[in-house]
Amino acid sequence: GEDVEQSLFLSVREGDSSVINCTYTDSSSTYLYWYKQEPGAGLQLLTYIFSNMDMKQDQRLTVLLNKKDKHLSLRIADTQTGDSAIYFCAESDNQGGKLIFGQGTELSVKP
Amino acid sequence: GAVVSQHPSWVICKSGTSVKIECRSLDFQATTMFWYRQFPKQSLMLMATSNEGSKATYEQGVEKDKFLINHASLTLSTLTVTSAHPEDSSFYICSARVSGKGTYEQYFGPGTRLTVT
Repeated sequence: GEDVEQSLFLSVREGDSSVINCTYTDSSSTYLYWYKQEPGAGLQLLTYIFSNMDMKQDQRLTVLLNKKDKHLSLRIADTQTGDSAIYFCAESDNQGGKLIFGQGTELSVKP
Repeated sequence: GAVVSQHPSWVICKSGTSVKIECRSLDFQATTMFWYRQFPKQSLMLMATSNEGSKATYEQGVEKDKFLINHASLTLSTLTVTSAHPEDSSFYICSARVSGKGTYEQYFGPGTRLTVT
């Protein structure tokens, strides 16, 4: 079945870049997403990328997609303490909108 | 725009009682809403897909008689946890897909923390 995997923890210093990685198995994935979850809160959509794209940049966020290797990454430039949260990678097809989530990567930003 | 609310934000109930959680799309219509469950430090697991005016589609392993879903309007879906037990304690999150838009147009509510004592 479909599976999405992420590393569980990442710690960086304020001002550095953070790179969060994700792998997925479903080759029919149409959209791949990055969500941010702060403690006790719901999910905030950060960005998404269509499967026929290689890269998408939005301010401090850069998403890279390697469709051949089924590998997705999120780079956060100039990471701030406010970026500390759990980041979820997710994928969906173009049918019903059902999202399959990874386990989440807890990003800790140290001053 | 694209705000989804959930009510209540947290609830404590006694074992054996039923609890209803509401999910509303405040500024858009949502033909489809999704209900997820999240355990501490874990990912979100899709429980069911709720379509306005029709029966919900449940994921494998989710008891449809225990988790009743009603999507009576284009802006409201409800999840009722019937005969709740302590193992039902969890964080329940809904999302709403904007009607007529692509699958990426999906927004999440803030979640409801359910504690069953």
